[in-house]
Amino acid sequence: EVQLQESGPGLVKPSQSLSLTCSVTGYSITSNYWGWIRKFPGNKMEWMGYISYSGSTSYNPSLKSRISITRDTSKNQFFLQLNSVTTEDTATYYCARRNVDWYFDFWGPGTMVTVSS
Amino acid sequence: DIQMTQSPSFLSASVGDRVTINCKASQNINRYLNWYQQKLGEAPKLLIYNANSLQTGIPSRFSGSGSGTDFTLTISSLQPEDVATYFCLQHNSWYTFGAGTKLELK
Repeated sequence: EVQLQESGPGLVKPSQSLSLTCSVTGYSITSNYWGWIRKFPGNKMEWMGYISYSGSTSYNPSLKSRISITRDTSKNQFFLQLNSVTTEDTATYYCARRNVDWYFDFWGPGTMVTVSS
Repeated sequence: DIQMTQSPSFLSASVGDRVTINCKASQNINRYLNWYQQKLGEAPKLLIYNANSLQTGIPSRFSGSGSGTDFTLTISSLQPEDVATYFCLQHNSWYTFGAGTKLELK
């Protein structure tokens, strides 16, 4: 079965970059699509973007100037970088697989990131 | 952008009760609506996709209905292991989420 696991720093300073890794087991990231979703305090959730089996990307327009999703197929990992973070980027970040029917079917357990000086 | 309004935010019910949770879309999303269950500290689990299709391995007490703008998740007979937060996701036009329903045992 597909399993995803997020990892990265739990604390980031304002104006710096947030960098997270999603490690995938049980399925190759050279198939399907692989995305990032976040849940803010108060439970509002936001789709951030995804990277395809071929390496092409799609991003939420609200984040387009700050976000980058990349991958390392040799390690079966994909990555999130969010630049110029503010306290409003404090959230739990999830990675997930987007299937060919356009929805997210397998998710990681999430990693909490706090933006604070 | 499509907005999703989920209700109720909180629900308390007894074992064996029939439970319903609703999501309303701000515009027609056809049947592109999924339901997820998330237990504390765990990954969200897909229960229902495309409004009424049961994901493999999910107990048959879970069901989904609706189309267009109004959708419902039903648990036909609540079990103790169903205590969780449930949320909806529309995937008709990019992705937007409901705010979640926290389900507890009475």
